[in-house]
Amino acid sequence: EPEVTQTPSHQVTQMGQEVILRCVPISNHLYFYWYRQILGQKVEFLVSFYNNEISEKSEIFDDQFSVERPDGSNFTLKIRSTKLEDSAMYFCASSDGLLRETQYFGPGTRLLVL
Amino acid sequence: GESVGLHLPTLSVQEGDNSIINCAYSNSASDYFIWYKQESGKGPQFIIDIRSNMDKRQGQRVTVLLNKTVKHLSLQIAATQPGDSAVYFCAERTSGTYKYIFGTGTRLKVLA
Repeated sequence: EPEVTQTPSHQVTQMGQEVILRCVPISNHLYFYWYRQILGQKVEFLVSFYNNEISEKSEIFDDQFSVERPDGSNFTLKIRSTKLEDSAMYFCASSDGLLRETQYFGPGTRLLVL
Repeated sequence: GESVGLHLPTLSVQEGDNSIINCAYSNSASDYFIWYKQESGKGPQFIIDIRSNMDKRQGQRVTVLLNKTVKHLSLQIAATQPGDSAVYFCAERTSGTYKYIFGTGTRLKVLA
């Protein structure tokens, strides 16, 4: 069964450093998303992406964040200058063109900012 | 403001019994709802969905009920199994958007 994959599974970084989280969505999907989950809290929407453009973004997704689809398979989330409060599990999700509402999630990348 | 909440943070059931997990939402403009299951260390896994023009939808061992009058959503799991132990989230989508608002989650513990 096709699934969303994410790398790395864990990342530890120093405050102020840049990190890039990588995702490979399900191959025929057209819509891509990033969510985050701070430990013990709700899953929160960050951004959605379609046709090489951001479709929607939340107030969390400020200028420190960017997304990119650098090739036909990868979807990345970049945090330019990490803060302690960026420590969270980051989930990538994707959905297809017909059933766009149904978003399939990857296993997540646990980011720890020290 | 918009919010999705869960009444019970932890639910313990005996193996073989039925489980009911509840969710309250406050945005009457939400038109689509999903239940996700999240096992430890994994991402949310799609279980079942329902649109606002329906009040019931059944899957394999799972049923989702939607009561728009009281803005309530429930997930029923029949014959609960140990593999059902996880945190269950409801998520709502406001009509016209594709971002989901998640609830806080209910932990389901299945007792042998």
